[in-house]
Amino acid sequence: KAGVTQTPRYLIKTRGQQVTLSCSPISGHRSVSWYQQTPGQGLQFLFEYFSETQRNKGNFPGRFSGRQFSNSRSEMNVSTLELGDSALYLCASSFSRENSPLHFGNGTRLTVT
Amino acid sequence: SQQGEEDPQALSIQEGENATMNCSYKTSINNLQWYRQNSGRGLVHLILIRSNEREKHSGRLRVTLDTSKKSSSLLITASRAADTASYFCDTDGSNDYKLSFGAGTTVTVRA
Repeated sequence: KAGVTQTPRYLIKTRGQQVTLSCSPISGHRSVSWYQQTPGQGLQFLFEYFSETQRNKGNFPGRFSGRQFSNSRSEMNVSTLELGDSALYLCASSFSRENSPLHFGNGTRLTVT
Repeated sequence: SQQGEEDPQALSIQEGENATMNCSYKTSINNLQWYRQNSGRGLVHLILIRSNEREKHSGRLRVTLDTSKKSSSLLITASRAADTASYFCDTDGSNDYKLSFGAGTTVTVRA
């Protein structure tokens, strides 16, 4: 069974630009969660999608958005990039977010210059 | 909102020694899970323990759960260099899991 795939693996953008990250969950998993990981803030929850609906959202500004498609693939978008958005963005899928393990991709390393 | 908080923040041990780290959380839970993260990669699920369980084993891993103290511990026995990683606990109980991961415990195993 293929694992969670995140693309691209690395990304360099400049301030003010926007970026779209992609996540393909494990087949059959309907829940996709996104996390931002930085050395200073640790692992911060961004949002979670289940069957194309956003079920939960973390405390991030509206520049951070996401969506989920009917095949459970998910994208997140960050507009008007800031230097502080430089981070490892992790996607995790699960059968259902409650009571089941999260399966993580290897992340997208975003650098904003 | 509930959050798992790992302790200590960092741990350095000799190969072959045991490593113990703890996780505390604030509200009642259904399950608690431990994950490992190698540098720059995604988290890998290690073990899930349910609220009605007190202890669980998986290979060299032993997890305990004390719901009265709202805490869990992860013991890695006979550590190896490959155990060098950060370890996180994740709790779920209420529907509010926005802050479910703590800052992690960074374990360094010295040869």
